[in-house]
Amino acid sequence: QITLKESGPTLVKPTQTLTLTCTFSGFSLSTSGVGVGWLRQPPGKALEWLTLIYWDDDARYSPFLRSRLTITKDTSKNQVVLRMTNMDPVDTATYFCAHIQRGSYHKGGPLGNYYYFYYMDVWGKGTTVTVPS
Amino acid sequence: QSVLTQPPSVSAAPGQKVTISCSGSSSNIGNNYVCWYQQVPGTAPKLLIYENNKRPSGIPDRFSGSKFDMSATLDITGLQTGDEASYYCGTWDSSLSGSWWVFGGGTKLTVL
Repeated sequence: QITLKESGPTLVKPTQTLTLTCTFSGFSLSTSGVGVGWLRQPPGKALEWLTLIYWDDDARYSPFLRSRLTITKDTSKNQVVLRMTNMDPVDTATYFCAHIQRGSYHKGGPLGNYYYFYYMDVWGKGTTVTVPS
Repeated sequence: QSVLTQPPSVSAAPGQKVTISCSGSSSNIGNNYVCWYQQVPGTAPKLLIYENNKRPSGIPDRFSGSKFDMSATLDITGLQTGDEASYYCGTWDSSLSGSWWVFGGGTKLTVL
């Protein structure tokens, strides 16, 4: 059974750096085809994907937040860490981490190449982070 | 503003069927599979559908998904009060500079 749990500060001051840890069980991040992602949801708003890291250390970032985000993994501890710099009140949200599963091999993308479809299948319960104004 | 477009809300009576749409473009839905997530208020999203129309184990067949061209739909039949939640579609948006995951703005389902 796959489980994930987010942990970190509930309150972060403006301009500070947020560090969140996702501790997981039921899978290993050294297994091919596996990844962990981070997402967030401001109060009353939609989900927003932030970043992910795959088993092979390949990391992807939201183009809107790329300059502020860093994701790292510690396979021996079954943890993934998210760092977000220069926090602002608009970053107030519930932050989720999620297990990423490799799906089918299919043709797609801008060049019509073949590649695997990765998707988030199991989510942590989330942790709320507030940045006061 | 979300990259994928969903209706803000839908409603139907218990036992009825509801359809939730998700519209995108050639850079996302048009060239990728689609997932659907259910989120009950105050809880984490739950995967309902992956790769357009596949259900994870434990998801009842009342939930079904489809995709055509640059749009996807989620159908829920035999509505139950427990289905009241927000539903999100999601997929990869791919360009020559890279890929990133995008969601719709979410659709709130009310079971009357």
